[in-house]
Amino acid sequence: GQQVMQIPQYQHVQEGEDFTTYCNSSTTLSNIQWYKQRPGGHPVFLIQLVKSGEVKKQKRLTFQFGEAKKNSSLHITATQTTDVGTYFCAVSFGNEKLTFGTGTRLTIIP
Amino acid sequence: DAGVTQSPTHLIKTRGQHVTLRCSPISGHKSVSWYQQVLGQGPQFIFQYYEKEERGRGNFPDRFSARQFPNYSSELNVNALLLGDSALYLCASSLTGGLDGEQFFGPGTRLTVL
Repeated sequence: GQQVMQIPQYQHVQEGEDFTTYCNSSTTLSNIQWYKQRPGGHPVFLIQLVKSGEVKKQKRLTFQFGEAKKNSSLHITATQTTDVGTYFCAVSFGNEKLTFGTGTRLTIIP
Repeated sequence: DAGVTQSPTHLIKTRGQHVTLRCSPISGHKSVSWYQQVLGQGPQFIFQYYEKEERGRGNFPDRFSARQFPNYSSELNVNALLLGDSALYLCASSLTGGLDGEQFFGPGTRLTVL
C-alpha cells in the first residue's frame, strides 16, 4: 500500500539545539498535514501544506513542502522542553483515508 | 467549547470478547474517523463516517465495524478480540467529509486485551 516514510525515528537534542524531521512519499501528494503527540496524549494538528514549495512558519516551527510535492520537513529552531513529543506527518491518498507517517520522537536533554 | 470526547478512557477485555467504543464529535462536525494506535507507532486509519455513511475503510478485518448516529456521534465495535487488538483507539472529527483538512482528535480509549 501507499506509505509515507519519516526520518529519523528518534532524535535526542540538547535544549536550545535545532531539530528537523523529514517525511517522504514515493507518489505525488495533494497535501500534507503535520501533527504533534505529547507523551500520553493524542495527536494535535499543527499545519497543512498544499502548494508546491510552500513554506509556513509558526513561531519557532518551519514547515516546508517539496517542489515535487513528494516530501516535507518540519524544522524547530532552538528547541525547548515543551517541544517534547512525537511528530507525525499525515497524507490522504485519494482522500479515502488519512495515512500517518511512522513519526519522529523528540526528546530534549535539559 | 467541548472537544472530541471518547468513552471509556480505559478498558480491559479478554480474548474472544467484544467491545464497543464511543465518540462524540465537536459540535457542528459531521465527520468522524477512527484510528488504532499501537504503542510506538503512528495512528492507523480504521473508518471514516460522514453524514452517517461510511466514507472510507482501512485495512482491518471484518471484526471491526462502526456506525454513526443522527447526532453524529459514533461507535466502534470490535468482535472476537485478539491480543493484538490492544491499542489506543482514537476518534477524530472534522467539519467536512474530506480528509484533507484538520482532524480534531479525542483523548482516546486505551484497550487492553488479556
